[in-house]
Amino acid sequence: AQSVSQHNHHVILSEAASLELGCNYSYGGTVNLFWYVQYPGQHLQLLLKYFSGDPLVKGIKGFEAEFIKSKFSFNLRKPSVQWSDTAEYFCAVNARTGRRALTFGSGTRLQVQP
Amino acid sequence: EAQVTQNPRYLITVTGKKLTVTCSQNMNHEYMSWYRQDPGLGLRQIYYSMNVEVTDKGDVPEGYKVSRKEKRNFPLILESPSPNQTSLYFCASSLAYPGQGYTGELFFGEGSRLTVL
Repeated sequence: AQSVSQHNHHVILSEAASLELGCNYSYGGTVNLFWYVQYPGQHLQLLLKYFSGDPLVKGIKGFEAEFIKSKFSFNLRKPSVQWSDTAEYFCAVNARTGRRALTFGSGTRLQVQP
Repeated sequence: EAQVTQNPRYLITVTGKKLTVTCSQNMNHEYMSWYRQDPGLGLRQIYYSMNVEVTDKGDVPEGYKVSRKEKRNFPLILESPSPNQTSLYFCASSLAYPGQGYTGELFFGEGSRLTVL
């Protein structure tokens, strides 16, 4: 069964600091990878996704993520965070065969201090 | 406007009193799913549906039922709610099932916060 690990549960940064959130997945086959963001009191929104091709994908609001197949990782990055990036971030994976449900990590709460 | 609509958004109920959380999408999506979100556990899938009359269990289906009689609607039924079902519930939909040449990107509703006393 596929699983997703997010090792950073709570991250606190100052504005303009760089961000990297870790995500590792466990699945032997081909996968699609996603990062979703949940702003306080809101529903989840897609930040970016990887399907195939260039392993460095760019999403909305200046976020990017790099798929490293050998490490089963899909880390999220942003060079300079803003107070408005305060949110919870979820990594997710679905497989292209077998049971293809979207499996989420436990989430990382990012708090950006002005 | 393309959206997934859930009702009610907030509900406080008592143990054993049957309730239904409705979910409707206006995007003609084939795939729909229910998740519950609990602190430290992320989102866990309860049930999903690949199309009308086609439903299957997710990771945590115990205590829940679903039906998919129409493409746009996917209600979640708690026949006899218990306190451990207190949670934030999200309905989500996707154009198609992952793997059919589609990534399976999900569109989420606003969430329904349920408290069972």
